Amino acid sequence: DGGITQSPKYLFRKEGQNVTLSCEQNLNHDAMYWYRQDPGQGLRLIYYSQIVNDFQKGDIAEGYSVSREKKESFPLTVTSAQKNPTAFYLCASSPTVNTEAFFGQGTRLTVV
Amino acid sequence: GEDVEQSLFLSVREGDSSVINCTYTDSSSTYLYWYKQEPGAGLQLLTYIFSNMDMKQDQRLTVLLNKKDKHLSLRIADTQTGDSAIYFCAETAGGTSYGKLTFGQGTILTVHP
Repeated sequence: DGGITQSPKYLFRKEGQNVTLSCEQNLNHDAMYWYRQDPGQGLRLIYYSQIVNDFQKGDIAEGYSVSREKKESFPLTVTSAQKNPTAFYLCASSPTVNTEAFFGQGTRLTVV
Repeated sequence: GEDVEQSLFLSVREGDSSVINCTYTDSSSTYLYWYKQEPGAGLQLLTYIFSNMDMKQDQRLTVLLNKKDKHLSLRIADTQTGDSAIYFCAETAGGTSYGKLTFGQGTILTVHP
């Protein structure tokens, strides 16, 4: 089945450690996105990529890094520089010229 | 910058209609969306409306857009307990990045039997 797969669903890390969240899509979409969701807030854009080997910062990129070496994959690294990393992270993808973005099921990251 | 605002809570009885409201500030918004999120899950696209439309109906869902007032609403007819979820309004200027969305805070809809 076509879709976006985020793994793992739950992730626990110690403070000060970097952690990488996986996002894979088999929809042949050019663009991919990472959002962060905190309770009582809407989703905020971290990074996005419109094409392989290219990506741009979103509204809250500090403390995060990404890569886009393959069309299907857009991993997000939460670095130790991110002051408040505990959140729900959602990955999305969209075709270049279409009206819809499709979301994965999310990864809940807890830093202790 | 762009801003999207929603009321945080709505409670209705099963069988009644629900109306969730949203206001936005970006005049260049091309598409406006309604997403649904169930607990612990990702976002599911419910419906969207292009900015040159003022209404769109899709089964139990009716979207109204007042572009002059920058006001968007989602009406759910015959609301069911399965409709209990968080509903997000979002907008994009489109172009080549339809997933580059600005979201409201989400409205928690609670449906009582």
